[in-house]
Amino acid sequence: EADIYQTPRYLVIGTGKKITLECSQTMGHDKMYWYQQDPGMELHLIHYSYGVNSTEKGDLSSESTVSRIRTEHFPLTLESARPSHTSQYLCASSITGVVKTQYFGPGTRLLVL
Amino acid sequence: DQQVKQNSPSLSVQEGRISILNCDYTNSMFDYFLWYKKYPAEGPTFLISISSIKDKNEDGRFTVFLNKSAKHLSLHIVPSQPGDSAVYFCAASLRRGKLIFGQGTTLQVKP
Repeated sequence: EADIYQTPRYLVIGTGKKITLECSQTMGHDKMYWYQQDPGMELHLIHYSYGVNSTEKGDLSSESTVSRIRTEHFPLTLESARPSHTSQYLCASSITGVVKTQYFGPGTRLLVL
Repeated sequence: DQQVKQNSPSLSVQEGRISILNCDYTNSMFDYFLWYKKYPAEGPTFLISISSIKDKNEDGRFTVFLNKSAKHLSLHIVPSQPGDSAVYFCAASLRRGKLIFGQGTTLQVKP
C-alpha cells in the first residue's frame, strides 16, 4: 500500500489569498491525481499527472494549477481563493499497469471565508 | 451524464448480517472496477477490485460481483461489523487509469 501524505489537513483562509496544498508519496508511483469532493457527492478529478513534467486537467473544471517537478511531489495551487473553492481536496497516486488501484492521502479540508 | 451510479444513498443493516452495496455503470469500455471505503474527513481506503474479465473476486469478508451484461456490480460484506459503518464508493477505470466514481452509499451497521 502507498504512503501518501497531504498537508495541511485543515485550512481556513480568507478570500483572495494564495494557497498551496501539498501532496507527497514515497512509493515511486508514476501517476498522481487531485480530486475534489463535496459532502454526499462523488469524487471529481480536477488534475492528473502521468509523470514528471506531465500534467493535465481532469473532468471537472478547476481554477487551481498543479506542477510535477519531482516524481514524489504533486502540489496544487490556488492563486486567489474564493468561497466557491471550499471543499475537500484529495490526492492519490498509482502505478502504471493492469491493476488500476489508486491510493489516497488523508485529504485537505479547505474553508474559504 | 453520470457514468457510474450508486442509486442508494444509504443502507442500514444489523451486525452479523450481510450488507449488499450496488453500483451501475453505462460505459461498456470500463476495464476495471474498484470499491473504496471512506470515513468523514479522511481519504478513501481501497477495499477490493475486479477486472472486467472476471465476474467475482473475494477477499476475506468482502466479495465483489460483476455482471457485465447488466452493467452492474455489487459489494457483499459478510458478516457486517459496526466498524464497517462508512461511505462506500464504487469506481470504474477508463483510459490509462483514470477513475470515475459513484456518489457513494452510506452504510450503517447497527450493533
